[in-house]
Amino acid sequence: AQKITQTQPGMFVQEKEAVTLDCTYDTSDPSYGLFWYKQPSSGEMIFLIYQGSYDQQNATEGRYSLNFQKARKSANLVISASQLGDSAMYFCAMREENRDDKIIFGKGTRLHILP
Amino acid sequence: DTGVSQNPRHKITKRGQNVTFRCDPISEHNRLYWYRQTLGQGPEFLTYFQNEAQLEKSRLLSDRFSAERPKGSFSTLEIQRTEQGDSAMYLCASSLDQGIWFEQYFGPGTRLTVT
Repeated sequence: AQKITQTQPGMFVQEKEAVTLDCTYDTSDPSYGLFWYKQPSSGEMIFLIYQGSYDQQNATEGRYSLNFQKARKSANLVISASQLGDSAMYFCAMREENRDDKIIFGKGTRLHILP
Repeated sequence: DTGVSQNPRHKITKRGQNVTFRCDPISEHNRLYWYRQTLGQGPEFLTYFQNEAQLEKSRLLSDRFSAERPKGSFSTLEIQRTEQGDSAMYLCASSLDQGIWFEQYFGPGTRLTVT
């Protein structure tokens, strides 16, 4: 069964520092994709970054990078040089190749950036 | 139009009433998804459409819930005889079917409060 675990309910980080949000997953499918979404207080889910299970390199998108450790089944999000606007809920999610119809989300981590 | 839109943004209703939400996906997207998000949780998959065909329904979607996408464009989600447990954010997402790892774009959601 699919499962996404985010063990950090909340985090406080000083502005301009880097932050790592943890995510572990469980799947028996060898082919899957991992996603991170940001949800500000307005409620909209904003796609940040994607990593495929067969990708050799870690994904990067601007200040976002995904630390993918396949053997450990972890897909941590790293935000460099954090900004006040990064304060939001962050969700890790997964889709399996054989179940391309839906994304399974974790419970999220609320990130607070302190000035 | 550059994104997914949902209406209304907020809905307050009394228990037992029927409600209907609308989602307008990104125009060229052929897939449309509905999710439900309760407080402190990540979004949970409800159902999805490919064009006008409803291809999967979650066990979360009881008989009181019905979704349609009559012309393969906008979609409606109706809840009959609402219950207090239906209070949640209802999110719509759309995507292109261009391979396994297509990104889902989310709308701002409809927040339902059942009193």
